Amino acid sequence: DADVTQTPRNRITKTGKRIMLECSQTKGHDRMYWYRQDPGLGLRLIYYSFDVKDINKGEISDGYSVSRQAQAKFSLSLESAIPNQTALYFCATSESRDANIQYFGAGTRLSVL
Amino acid sequence: GQNIDQPTEMTATEGAIVQINCTYQTSGFNGLFWYQQHAGEAPTFLSYNVLDGLEEKGRFSSFLSRSKGYSYLLLKELQMKDSASYLCAVMDSNYQLIWGAGTKLIIKP
Repeated sequence: DADVTQTPRNRITKTGKRIMLECSQTKGHDRMYWYRQDPGLGLRLIYYSFDVKDINKGEISDGYSVSRQAQAKFSLSLESAIPNQTALYFCATSESRDANIQYFGAGTRLSVL
Repeated sequence: GQNIDQPTEMTATEGAIVQINCTYQTSGFNGLFWYQQHAGEAPTFLSYNVLDGLEEKGRFSSFLSRSKGYSYLLLKELQMKDSASYLCAVMDSNYQLIWGAGTKLIIKP
């Protein structure tokens, strides 16, 4: 079983629709992250959370929101999807600040038409 | 601004050795990471350097020079399964990871 699980794995939606991507983990890590990956660009941080009560904006948070429902669950929402949000989205977890080795889910491929 | 540079693509032959370079300019430094990412899959952790020098782990080694803002990943005895993208990432003064765009490594028989 995967330690970091993302659902759905693939999603096609239309411009203006609300969509939620979900992430759950069994690693017991406090820190969780949402990234997007576009061809030719590095991973870009959207939001991150160090515990249930701590949510922080990343480099590219505009147009996105998150919810940390529990230590194990971190969801990403697109309130009104637009085509340039078409990308591969990854959730990741890490145990601590210092070593910060991140463990990634399998990714969600999102297409906004 | 913060910047991580690595070659876009490299080609090597099965059984050979390849070195993938990474240079960085970041606000502070708290470690450098290398990840492997097969096409359409999640990145997976390969190595972590925080002090200058070479870290060896089986067929893979990673080198760091903090004064030069430079790292490389060395892959020996290349296998076809090593065909993947290799991502360099630096942890900045805020303990956030700054990611390079990745180097796509193509292995030819």
